Amino acid sequence: EAEVAQSPRYKITEKSQAVAFWCDPISGHATLYWYRQILGQGPELLVQFQDESVVDDSQLPKDRFSAERLKGVDSTLKIQPAELGDSAMYLCASSHRSSGLVDTQYFGPGTRLTVL
Amino acid sequence: SQQGEEDPQALSIQEGENATMNCSYKTSINNLQWYRQNSGRGLVHLILIRSNEREKHSGRLRVTLDTSKKSSSLLITASRAADTASYFCATKQAGTALIFGKGTTLSVSS
Repeated sequence: EAEVAQSPRYKITEKSQAVAFWCDPISGHATLYWYRQILGQGPELLVQFQDESVVDDSQLPKDRFSAERLKGVDSTLKIQPAELGDSAMYLCASSHRSSGLVDTQYFGPGTRLTVL
Repeated sequence: SQQGEEDPQALSIQEGENATMNCSYKTSINNLQWYRQNSGRGLVHLILIRSNEREKHSGRLRVTLDTSKKSSSLLITASRAADTASYFCATKQAGTALIFGKGTTLSVSS
């Protein structure tokens, strides 16, 4: 069964350093999502891509976070510089299409970020 | 911002018992979805119920939706130890992102 791949699974960094996370969605899925999940909370959307275009980045802290999906397949989320409050699980998800209200999202295993 | 609120925050039951968790939301929705998350892992989609549906079943899962009360419930029958996880409701409106609640942590002991 096809899965969403993410790497690394765990990342420990010091504040003010740069970090990057990678996501490879299920083949053929046009829509890709990055979520941040703080411990004890539900996931919150950071950015949504439709193919290579950003369709929603309203909750992305653009002063330090950036995301790209250059060829409309895999994606990278970057934080520079990292702050203590960025410690969280970063989840990537993909779905077949974004226009469908009933489209199911498939999640990757996540990257656990710890900022010291 | 989180629209859905699950209740209870935590639930502990014995194997074989039924588990019920509830979700309340604030604004009108197109559909409501339930997801499961095992410790330290990604989320798995369980079931979706549309706003014009009142009840839906999938295996041991039963979901109800009351749009007049803006609430939903997830019932897991005959719970197993493998059902131990966090369960999240997520609401979907047209033109907006999926919004998740804070989740219910279910612990099933043998």
